[in-house]
Amino acid sequence: GENVEQHPSTLSVQEGDSAVIKCTYSDSASNYFPWYKQELGKRPQLIIDIRSNVGEKKDQRIAVTLNKTAKHFSLHITETQPEDSAVYFCAASHFLTGGGNKLTFGTGTQLKVEL
Amino acid sequence: EPEVTQTPSHQVTQMGQEVILRCVPISNHLYFYWYRQILGQKVEFLVSFYNNEISEKSEIFDDQFSVERPDGSNFTLKIRSTKLEDSAMYFCASSELPGSKLFFGSGTQLSVL
Repeated sequence: GENVEQHPSTLSVQEGDSAVIKCTYSDSASNYFPWYKQELGKRPQLIIDIRSNVGEKKDQRIAVTLNKTAKHFSLHITETQPEDSAVYFCAASHFLTGGGNKLTFGTGTQLKVEL
Repeated sequence: EPEVTQTPSHQVTQMGQEVILRCVPISNHLYFYWYRQILGQKVEFLVSFYNNEISEKSEIFDDQFSVERPDGSNFTLKIRSTKLEDSAMYFCASSELPGSKLFFGSGTQLSVL
């Protein structure tokens, strides 16, 4: 089955700096890669996702890049703010037409944005 | 914005007891899921459900677990005889189409004593 590795496990940045979180996946058939933000005790919230036919996607301060050959994808947060502090999870799935979307999650990155 | 809702938010039970966790997926969604998260660990897939049947399940989802859509709005997870290691946050999720975004509920924290 799919295996997703995520690094680093903790990341501390100064407010205004950029943060980069990296993930690798094992199943070359995976075709969907979402990123979730989870604040303490709350539900995972989708912040951005990318499909395998796209190399990069951006939404304001957040961007995701995908390298299918190397089987890795990264989350980039620019101009970090204290409210970006949370645990970030990457995930991967291979969805089939008519099937569901089973996500395999990475182990999470605790991002702390310091003033 | 529509949300997946889950009840109860917390559930405490004795080992060996049955529990039922309830979820109301987003109304136009067709795919439903249960995930769990042990404290401090990653979110793990349990089961997906479509067209009134299980479409995929993980190794965690053994014979002690079952899912049901008893009516047009609810989606339930039953654990027949809870074990200490079942203690976790259980998240329900739903998606509109295959491969579309998953939206998670706020979770049920299950504590097995």
